[in-house]
Amino acid sequence: GESVGLHLPTLSVQEGDNSIINCAYSNSASDYFIWYKQESGKGPQFIIDIRSNMDKRQGQRVTVLLNKTVKHLSLQIAATQPGDSAVYFCAENIRGAQKLVFGQGTRLTINP
Amino acid sequence: EAQVTQNPRYLITVTGKKLTVTCSQNMNHEYMSWYRQDPGLGLRQIYYSMNVEVTDKGDVPEGYKVSRKEKRNFPLILESPSPNQTSLYFCASSLARGNTEAFFGQGTRLTVV
Repeated sequence: GESVGLHLPTLSVQEGDNSIINCAYSNSASDYFIWYKQESGKGPQFIIDIRSNMDKRQGQRVTVLLNKTVKHLSLQIAATQPGDSAVYFCAENIRGAQKLVFGQGTRLTINP
Repeated sequence: EAQVTQNPRYLITVTGKKLTVTCSQNMNHEYMSWYRQDPGLGLRQIYYSMNVEVTDKGDVPEGYKVSRKEKRNFPLILESPSPNQTSLYFCASSLARGNTEAFFGQGTRLTVV
């Protein structure tokens, strides 16, 4: 069925370290996978997406990796900063559907 | 500034009293949707609209109505709110159906007592 889940609900990292947030998905009919960031008191904000026929995509300080063999998605944030503190959601765009299916989120906290 | 605006941000109401949460976007987006966010359940789609006068149910439409009379506005209507509709609501818009970059409003925290 449709489901997008996360391995860990919370992640704590030292400022300046790299962060890796993981996500598992079960729907093979997704054509895009997306990461959103939600800061406290705000709505989710688009970070980056990756098409299902790609393995890797890089943005500014972020890299998304897609492993279709094990249905796993990850978001890597380089040199984590205090402003990266947020809940991160993975989502999938199911081909032919009219919605994004969101995971439950991982809370990233940054230790000084 | 490109944005999605929801009102009100906070609302406490009583069971059965009709309410409307407004949503407006200034990006000329075709696709708009409403989500509710609950602890442990993530974001779930309530209704969506692919264009003016075109709306359809999402995953959790029971107890909600929507309308899309103008491209920019997509109000969410609760005809008879119940306590299980207490939640954080988000309106979102995107350029078109299937577009992965959705723009979300700031959210409306609704409490039904």
